[in-house]
Amino acid sequence: NAGVTQTPKFQVLKTGQSMTLQCAQDMNHEYMSWYRQDPGMGLRLIHYSVGAGITDQGEVPNGYNVSRSTTEDFPLRLLSAAPSQTSVYFCASSYWGRGQETQYFGPGTRLLVL
Amino acid sequence: AQTVTQSQPEMSVQEAETVTLSCTYDTSESNYYLFWYKQPPSRQMILVIRQEAYKQQNATENRFSVNFQKAAKSFSLKISDSQLGDTAMYFCAFMDSNYQLIWGAGTKLIIKP
Repeated sequence: NAGVTQTPKFQVLKTGQSMTLQCAQDMNHEYMSWYRQDPGMGLRLIHYSVGAGITDQGEVPNGYNVSRSTTEDFPLRLLSAAPSQTSVYFCASSYWGRGQETQYFGPGTRLLVL
Repeated sequence: AQTVTQSQPEMSVQEAETVTLSCTYDTSESNYYLFWYKQPPSRQMILVIRQEAYKQQNATENRFSVNFQKAAKSFSLKISDSQLGDTAMYFCAFMDSNYQLIWGAGTKLIIKP
């Protein structure tokens, strides 16, 4: 049981480049989410999903796309990276509804956009 | 909108001392969850303690305990017998009825030898 895994751990991009941050979980959790963490701020929700084929926007969705084709995977796509997207990104998963109060976090991906 | 406020950006105490981290929140809901998470330099987000709003009894986990004051919307974390390994960022978080987490800005805690 690997829990929540994220790849890559660290990435440097140039402005305008695209990339996908990978997130996978092996706990059969319905709920998955992406957060970004910036200095001096708490985590902010980007997008979330309550099951395969279902996604919704969080607090800061602009510049990011997500899809959920399987229960296990929830990739986050940056279509045209901007310096403002320099941040640490966390993926989290949990059961949906009762039990969702326990969220499991991945180790994070540090992204630097030049 | 719900908000979570941590008024102490940084705190520093000697090893073995007791330290209390403050957290206040704003909500109109009556049933919700509150959390304290620890983030060491490894950046891994680790759940420290959880409190359900409908429970009056304060949650405890070994050296960690909370003082939950529902009427005052306050949720402080007390760390007893602090250890060097407690050095980390500590985040207070609120989970609303839609199961979304709202986070405070964090408190950097330094335990000095």
